[in-house]
Amino acid sequence: DMKVTQMPRYLIKRMGENVLLECGQDMSHETMYWYRQDPGLGLQLIYISYDVDSNSEGDIPKGYRVSRKKREHFSLILDSAKTNQTSVYFCASSFRVGTGQLYFGEGSKLTVL
Amino acid sequence: AQKVTQTQTSISVVEKTTVTMDCVYETRDSSYFLFWYKQTASGEIVFLIRQDSYKKENATVGHYSLNFQKPKSSIGLIITATQIEDSAVYFCAMREGNYAQGLTFGLGTRVSVFP
Repeated sequence: DMKVTQMPRYLIKRMGENVLLECGQDMSHETMYWYRQDPGLGLQLIYISYDVDSNSEGDIPKGYRVSRKKREHFSLILDSAKTNQTSVYFCASSFRVGTGQLYFGEGSKLTVL
Repeated sequence: AQKVTQTQTSISVVEKTTVTMDCVYETRDSSYFLFWYKQTASGEIVFLIRQDSYKKENATVGHYSLNFQKPKSSIGLIITATQIEDSAVYFCAMREGNYAQGLTFGLGTRVSVFP
């Protein structure tokens, strides 16, 4: 069906709480990504996953970790969320890291109070 | 380090006309790949078109085309015969030849198409 699905779509947390954002894709894509989007800063890469248990930091990995135990699932974890992590988070996937064409999920809006 | 700059924050056009938006990039690689994405009001981000640095011909897909000026490190997006539904934010993005990297995005240009 060529779809990237993110859950939850909206989330409100208090500072210090843990956050789990989940992403799934049905295209058997090798590579998955987590970006965050903020006004004035655009889309910034947090982590890349090249395949199961093969993850690499992006440009802004501090405060985040990821998990990919199945090719179709990629999770973003915030341990002890901070207010400056309030953002819209986008998951994306591509056939391979070199193909360039990314398929994006609908985004997860996280508010940390 | 790669960098992508979109200088136009917003553009307004009348329906059925042509809109052009600019993007300049910085890279030290001789091989790189350029992309344009569209983000709709709902937040959905979709791939539109790509240009590989080694290709001399400008890419065209439907009513989207590119103006690739390699000596100027510029990749402009041209939308012809605009429609109301073309109203969106358009992002330019680049990936260098190092496949280990993800895409670097510009800050986007908001296009508003009016009847």
